[in-house]
Amino acid sequence: GAGVSQSPSNKVTEKGKDVELRCDPISGHTALYWYRQRLGQGLEFLIYFQGNSAPDKSGLPSDRFSAERTGGSVSTLTIQRTQQEDSAVYLCASRKTSGGAQYFGPGTRLLVL
Amino acid sequence: TQLLEQSPQFLSIQEGENLTVYCNSSSVFSSLQWYRQEPGEGPVLLVTVVTGGEVKKLKRLTFQFGDARKDSSLHITAAQPGDTGLYLCAGGGGGSNYKLTFGKGTLLTVNP
Repeated sequence: GAGVSQSPSNKVTEKGKDVELRCDPISGHTALYWYRQRLGQGLEFLIYFQGNSAPDKSGLPSDRFSAERTGGSVSTLTIQRTQQEDSAVYLCASRKTSGGAQYFGPGTRLLVL
Repeated sequence: TQLLEQSPQFLSIQEGENLTVYCNSSSVFSSLQWYRQEPGEGPVLLVTVVTGGEVKKLKRLTFQFGDARKDSSLHITAAQPGDTGLYLCAGGGGGSNYKLTFGKGTLLTVNP
C-alpha cells in the first residue's frame, strides 16, 4: 500500500505570508505526528493526533502554528505570518497502533525569504 | 528534558571499513529506535530495542541497547556506499507512551 505522502514537497514563501502543509497518512493509521527538522538538528516534535482524542499540541513553538486533522485522516499544518526561522523540513509520520513504528513521509521543505 | 547525544556528528570512511556510532543520554528510555534518513526523504526505521543489554543484528548492522537503557550503539561491518545517510536514534517512554526524543544524528558518508 501507499506510504505517508506530503505536499507540497517544496515551498518558498515570503516573510509574513501564511503557508499550509498537507499530510496524507497511511490508511488505517490512527496516530499522526508532525515534526520539524532544522538543518543540522534532530527532529523536533510539534503535535500529535490520536483518533478522536484531543491532540497533544505541546510542541508547537508559537501561536502562529496550528494543525488540524479532518475525519481522522488527512492533516494540515498551518503557519501564519511566517518568519525566516520557520525555514525547515516539516515531516509527518503516522502509526497504526500504540507503541508501533512511526512511518514518515518525505517531508515538505519550507524556505521563508 | 530528555536529551539524546549522538557521536560522532560526521563520519566519512572508505568502503569496506567498520564503524560505530553512539547514542547517549542521562535519562532512561523504555525503548530506543534507530532510523536512517537519506537526502530528500523521511527517516526509515531500522530497529527498535527495548530490553537492557539487548543486541539485534540486521545484516551488516549490529545494534546494542545499554544495560541501563540510557545508551545505544550502532556498528556497521564492511560499510558500503549504500549505507550513506543520516543515522538518528530516538528514545521512547519517560512519561509518554507516544512521544519520541530524537538525537541530532550522525551523518555517514561511505566513499567508494
